[in-house]
Amino acid sequence: DVKVTQSSRYLVKRTGEKVFLECVQDMDHENMFWYRQDPGLGLRLIYFSYDVKMKEKGDIPEGYSVSREKKERFSLILESASTNQTSMYLCASTGDSTEAFFGQGTRLTVV
Amino acid sequence: QKEVEQNSGPLSVPEGAIASLNCTYSDRVSQSFFWYRQYSGKSPELIMSIYSNGDKEDGRFTAQLNKASQYVSLLIRDSQPSDSATYLCAGGSGGYNKLIFGAGTRLAVHP
Repeated sequence: DVKVTQSSRYLVKRTGEKVFLECVQDMDHENMFWYRQDPGLGLRLIYFSYDVKMKEKGDIPEGYSVSREKKERFSLILESASTNQTSMYLCASTGDSTEAFFGQGTRLTVV
Repeated sequence: QKEVEQNSGPLSVPEGAIASLNCTYSDRVSQSFFWYRQYSGKSPELIMSIYSNGDKEDGRFTAQLNKASQYVSLLIRDSQPSDSATYLCAGGSGGYNKLIFGAGTRLAVHP
């Protein structure tokens, strides 16, 4: 059974903290993505990676960075968390097709 | 124009009826389209993909694609209360099998 696993289901962080969200996939997929989902706005792409150490900005990269040191792992980093980054974060991966497989999501609250 | 647009709903249908969900897309979105279902608090799961003009049927679900009109739809026959969820339309964009999502349509099936 294919799997995308996010490290945390729920997180509560303080304003200004550095936050790491981790995502691991076991499908040997080349492409990995980080989205955030907010009510009424759908899924918005933050960053994606198409190979180890390779990354591209999505539509809303400000305030975020990413790291992909191994093919199976893609990390999203909030350099200095702010309250407007409170959201649901979803990791996804794709291989040869555009069919995306999603992790279970991380609900981040910044207080 | 947003790249992928959906009516946010809610769309309310009685049990046993046909639910019709619609999506339009811009020129930036390419030729592969997907419908994801998302239950509250859960991550999206793929229910249909469509790549060519016409209809594609899978059980109670039918996806329709009209490239000339830049229009994708999902029909759910014999709607059940368990179909109550948010339905996300997504299209491929650019390289690396990147997906762009609409904001989602909330479907409520009432007994």
